[in-house]
Amino acid sequence: EVQVVESGGGLVQPGGSLRLSCATSGFTFTTYSMTWVRQAPGKGLEWVANIKQDGSEKSYVGSVKGRFTISRDNAKNSLYLQMNSLRAEDTAVYYCASGRNLETWGQGTLVTVSS
Amino acid sequence: DVVMTQSPLSLPVTLGQPASISCRSSQSLVYSDGNTYLNWFQQRPGQSPRRLIYKVSNRDSGVPDRFSGSGSGTDFTLKISRVEAEDVGVYYCMQGTHWPGTFGQGTKVEIK
Repeated sequence: EVQVVESGGGLVQPGGSLRLSCATSGFTFTTYSMTWVRQAPGKGLEWVANIKQDGSEKSYVGSVKGRFTISRDNAKNSLYLQMNSLRAEDTAVYYCASGRNLETWGQGTLVTVSS
Repeated sequence: DVVMTQSPLSLPVTLGQPASISCRSSQSLVYSDGNTYLNWFQQRPGQSPRRLIYKVSNRDSGVPDRFSGSGSGTDFTLKISRVEAEDVGVYYCMQGTHWPGTFGQGTKVEIK
């Protein structure tokens, strides 16, 4: 059974940092690029970052470039998102999804940026 | 970024009746490999999104055959042949051809 499980969300003050994790199983992780997508409360979906299968290429949406870093550990079938200099507008549920075309999604983890 | 425009944004439907959602992109979604990376997602209330359709018209595993996708270039459609109660939710189109991937605004499907 394919499983994608995000963790690491929580309440953080503006300017703070948080590291999200995504544990996967049930599919060949090393053959998929991986993507983070977020959804602000009551809003639509926004692509955040993508990393290629071997980690050699990483891409970010403009609003997070220079603040967020996507990484992966193929030995652990895991994906990460290091988020620094967090802003109120980063408040969202963050989803991990397989592939560039988002084949399988996790349940999401909520990040709240507030003082 | 490629802008994805969905219509309608709200779609009240009668159980058993068909429904159709349109999605238009601001640029052609044909990739250099010849494929068109246009996907459709369903998000039921309180749940994560789930992919229904990939590359315009291919249903994902477990997706009922009442869902179908069509279109080409910049103009795409998701159709539900006979709406069931479990189809209530928000539907998003998304293009994966150009970086970054972009989503439509979402279409809320509800039962009349």
